[in-house]
Formats: sequence, structure tokens, C-alpha cells
Amino acid sequence: AQSVTQLDSQVPVFEEAPVELRCNYSSSVSVYLFWYVQYPNQGLQLLLKYLSGSTLVKGINGFEAEFNKSQTSFHLRKPSVHISDTAEYFCAVSGSEDSSYKLIFGSGTRLLVRP
Amino acid sequence: DTAVSQTPKYLVTQMGNDKSIKCEQNLGHDTMYWYKQDSKKFLKIMFSYNNKELIINETVPNRFSPKSPDKAHLNLHINSLELGDSAVYFCASSQGTSGRADTQYFGPGTRLTVL
Repeated sequence: AQSVTQLDSQVPVFEEAPVELRCNYSSSVSVYLFWYVQYPNQGLQLLLKYLSGSTLVKGINGFEAEFNKSQTSFHLRKPSVHISDTAEYFCAVSGSEDSSYKLIFGSGTRLLVRP
Repeated sequence: DTAVSQTPKYLVTQMGNDKSIKCEQNLGHDTMYWYKQDSKKFLKIMFSYNNKELIINETVPNRFSPKSPDKAHLNLHINSLELGDSAVYFCASSQGTSGRADTQYFGPGTRLTVL
């Protein structure tokens, strides 16, 4: 069975500082990996996804993530955060033997950007 | 134009009542989903339809019944509401052509409160 672990429930950071949100996954099959963002009182929006190819994936709003197969990780990074990046960030994995379209989400990390 | 819309946005009701949440997408997508987000922000897939056919049916009480009258709509009907049903319910859609690599587009959510 697949699972996603986001170890940090909350990450406080000062504006313009760099940030890394950690995500680890487990799966016995090849996976596709996603990061979604949820702004307060809104639905989820895709930041970026890894399907294949280059392990460094660039997304919207200056975010990027690196797929590391040996460490089964897909950490999200941004070199300089803004107040507007304050949101809940979800890592998700898709990939199963039955080829269903199911996304398995991590428990989320709340990024809190302080001035 | 809203891509994935849900009505109502808020739903407050008494235990034992029956209620429905409606979802519509205007993206021309083939696949639609229902997710439940609990008070700890944990997101879990409930159902998915592809071209009006049920393809994901997770372990949810049979008081929950999805209905897809056409590809653009996926409604969620809940019978005999219980306190534990209080959550935010998200509808999502995806193109359905790339399977598990598809990006899912989420609606704004329906906050259900059962008193």
C-alpha cells in the first residue's frame, strides 16, 4: 500500500527566507508525485508534479521540488518566501497496480510566513 | 468562470437529516471525485467517477451515495447525518486521459456541520 509522510505539521519562517517542506513516500510500484497548495478557505491547487525525466521539477509561484528515488523523498523548496505563501501544503502520490486515479495525500504542512 | 463549483458552500444541519451537495465542472473533464477533509486537514478520497461510471469506491458508510447524471456533474447525497460527518467536502475533476498522472482540479469545498 502506498503512503505519504509529511513530518512537519507546521513550518514558521520569516519573509524572504528560504524554506523546505519535507515529503517522504512509500510505494512498491513506480509513482507520480504531486504538491498541492490550499490557501485559507479555498480548494487545492496544483503547485507542481513529477511524472518522469528530470528529478528537479519547477512549479508555480517560484516553488520547486526534487524527486529522490533512493531516499523516497519529494521535498518542496522555495528560495525566498512571501507573506502570500502562507497556506497549507499537501504532498500526494499516485500510482497503484489497479491503475486507478486515486491520489493519496499526506497530512499537510502549514507554512506560516512572518514579516 | 469557475472551473469546478460546489453548492452549497456552507451546510449546517441536524443529526438524522438527509442532505445533498452538488458539484459541476465546466472543464470538459471525464473524471470527477469526492474527497473528505477532516478537522485535522487530512484529505481522503471517497468516490470517483469516470464517464459516469464509478471507478473508486472507498470504505465509506453506505449512507453516502454519489450520483453522476452526466460527465459534468457529480453529486453527493448523505442520509441520516451523524456528528462525525462534519467536515469539508471537496469535489475535484481531471481530464481522465493520462490516468494517474492527471492533474486534479478542486472545487472550493462545502463545509458541513452536523449539530
